[in-house]
Amino acid sequence: QQKVQQSPESLIVPEGGMASLNCTSSDRNVDYFWWYRQHSGKSPKMLMSIFSNGEKEEGRFTVHLNKASLHTSLHIRDSQPSDSALYLCAASGAGNTGKLIFGLGTTLQVQP
Amino acid sequence: EAGVTQSPRYAVLQEGQAVSFWCDPISGHDTLYWYQQPRDQGPQLLVYFRDEAVIDNSQLPSDRFSAVRPKGTNSTLKIQSAKQGDTATYLCASSFGTEVFFGKGTRLTVV
Repeated sequence: QQKVQQSPESLIVPEGGMASLNCTSSDRNVDYFWWYRQHSGKSPKMLMSIFSNGEKEEGRFTVHLNKASLHTSLHIRDSQPSDSALYLCAASGAGNTGKLIFGLGTTLQVQP
Repeated sequence: EAGVTQSPRYAVLQEGQAVSFWCDPISGHDTLYWYQQPRDQGPQLLVYFRDEAVIDNSQLPSDRFSAVRPKGTNSTLKIQSAKQGDTATYLCASSFGTEVFFGKGTRLTVV
């Protein structure tokens, strides 16, 4: 069973719309969550990280974390065609933040 | 600052052949990771090192895969006797602290 589960598997939003992506860990030993974005044929690039309960905003991107349920979500407002990519959620433990457990990803397509 | 460098970028093998992938991490990064990413899926950790020591290789198919980082800098991942199921992109990553940086990967196709 996948320890990090993402939903939806794929998502289509219109340009200017809001995209909401979800991620839950079934491993209670995780403490940190990461969101990576991977454009087709490119390497994953870290988008945002969140370690504490609550919300974190950077530009058009907002992440939420509920540590009790080990659920995080990524919201992209005013989506642009350049946001079209595979979005990967990863989790890691506090003692080893670099050992990332990835989900299968959500493929986002922003339609002009 | 130079990123994580990998070579080759692409490899095409017949089943049963061997291949080696090379990785040069970001200078000063003590931790190096090898991930396998099948098409349209998330990366899965194969092995990682801190300096020259293997910290976790539990997901590395030990009968055909091997990885070394002899001087705690560059690393080599080798596949002996490749299978079609090994078709994937092999990503090297490095870190010093919390953030992990990925290389561009080697796309392997086994026919």
